[in-house]
Amino acid sequence: KQEVTQIPAALSVPEGENLVLNCSFTDSAIYNLQWFRQDPGKGLTSLLLIQSSQREQTSGRLNASLDKSSGRSTLYIAASQPGDSATYLCAVFSRDSSYKLIFGSGTRLLVRP
Amino acid sequence: NAGVTQTPKFRILKIGQSMTLQCTQDMNHNYMYWYRQDPGMGLKLIYYSVGAGITDKGEVPNGYNVSRSTTEDFPLRLELAAPSQTSVYFCASSYPLDRGRDEQYFGPGTRLTVT
Repeated sequence: KQEVTQIPAALSVPEGENLVLNCSFTDSAIYNLQWFRQDPGKGLTSLLLIQSSQREQTSGRLNASLDKSSGRSTLYIAASQPGDSATYLCAVFSRDSSYKLIFGSGTRLLVRP
Repeated sequence: NAGVTQTPKFRILKIGQSMTLQCTQDMNHNYMYWYRQDPGMGLKLIYYSVGAGITDKGEVPNGYNVSRSTTEDFPLRLELAAPSQTSVYFCASSYPLDRGRDEQYFGPGTRLTVT
């Protein structure tokens, strides 16, 4: 059964720092891995989708990598800003299930001015 | 283009009451999903649909029902509400060209409290 873990659960950094959020999954048979951002009381916004055949995706200051063999993904945020403060969720689209995304519990990020 | 819309935004139910959470998407997506998110946790799939007239159970379907009579709408019905159904409910939709590129778009959520 696929399980997704995100470490750390919470992170507080000063503005301007580069940071890495981690996501691990137990079954490497996936179609894709997605990173989402969730603001308090709001829905989810898709940030990056990495297909199983890809190693990384980039969007602006965000870079996500995927290592299927080790069951890991990282989300790198460059030059963090207070506006980056949110919860970041990782989810995998697993081949062992029909159509469901399996989510981690998220990393709650606070960027201090 | 509104994307995925959900109503209501908030609702308080008494134990044993019933209600329907509405979800509509205007992107002509054939796949639609219902998730719930408990505090401090990730999302769990309740039900999903791959097209009008076709629905299937997700991880946590007990206590819920769905129907999909049109491409746009995917309502979630709660019968005999219980405190364990207190959660935030998210609807999502997608149009997967293939499984690798299946990107889901989420609504803003409905915050439900059962007391």
